[in-house]
Amino acid sequence: GQQVMQIPQYQHVQEGEDFTTYCNSSTTLSNIQWYKQRPGGHPVFLIQLVKSGEVKKQKRLTFQFGEAKKNSSLHITATQTTDVGTYFCAGDRGSTLGRLYFGRGTQLTVWP
Amino acid sequence: GAVVSQHPSWVICKSGTSVKIECRSLDFQATTMFWYRQFPKQSLMLMATSNEGSKATYEQGVEKDKFLINHASLTLSTLTVTSAHPEDSSFYICSANPATGRTNEQFFGPGTRLTVL
Repeated sequence: GQQVMQIPQYQHVQEGEDFTTYCNSSTTLSNIQWYKQRPGGHPVFLIQLVKSGEVKKQKRLTFQFGEAKKNSSLHITATQTTDVGTYFCAGDRGSTLGRLYFGRGTQLTVWP
Repeated sequence: GAVVSQHPSWVICKSGTSVKIECRSLDFQATTMFWYRQFPKQSLMLMATSNEGSKATYEQGVEKDKFLINHASLTLSTLTVTSAHPEDSSFYICSANPATGRTNEQFFGPGTRLTVL
């Protein structure tokens, strides 16, 4: 079954509005990673969160890792048309091979 | 950052033929590579973990005789879709981790779009 749940599946916002996507794992994670896939492209690594309660920022993007290391969120402030794409979270359960458990992704559409 | 290439970027084949897709890590060695399949507007589905020098580890429900994986060297893994059928049409993506110790981020190849007629 689905190991990492991610919601919402789709989000349509007007440029300037905020956007948030949430991930929840059924098990405690070693770390969680976030990727962005532009339409027609491949996933590109954004960030990795390792510590319980960790918060990291990249310009308008804020990433959080829950205290229990089971949930995470990505928040984009004042979206721009360049933010369009699908955002995936990926949970790492600490296997030696580095296998990741991907959420189903949130497809973000930004209207100008 | 690390670069992963895939070849071909797209392929169209007739039903019943076999198709080989190559995944190369261009500037690092990868003892482990991952093969994913992605349907339109859907998530990445891990098919198998490719291990250099040993057999691949397949996910549940993935036919190992259908999707042959060979990790020939530390920079090359191949996925062969044998006797392809229209339902095998999909976007196939590989990834690898340079394992520098700083993060274990995955670097993805650009993907291969397979269309089986």
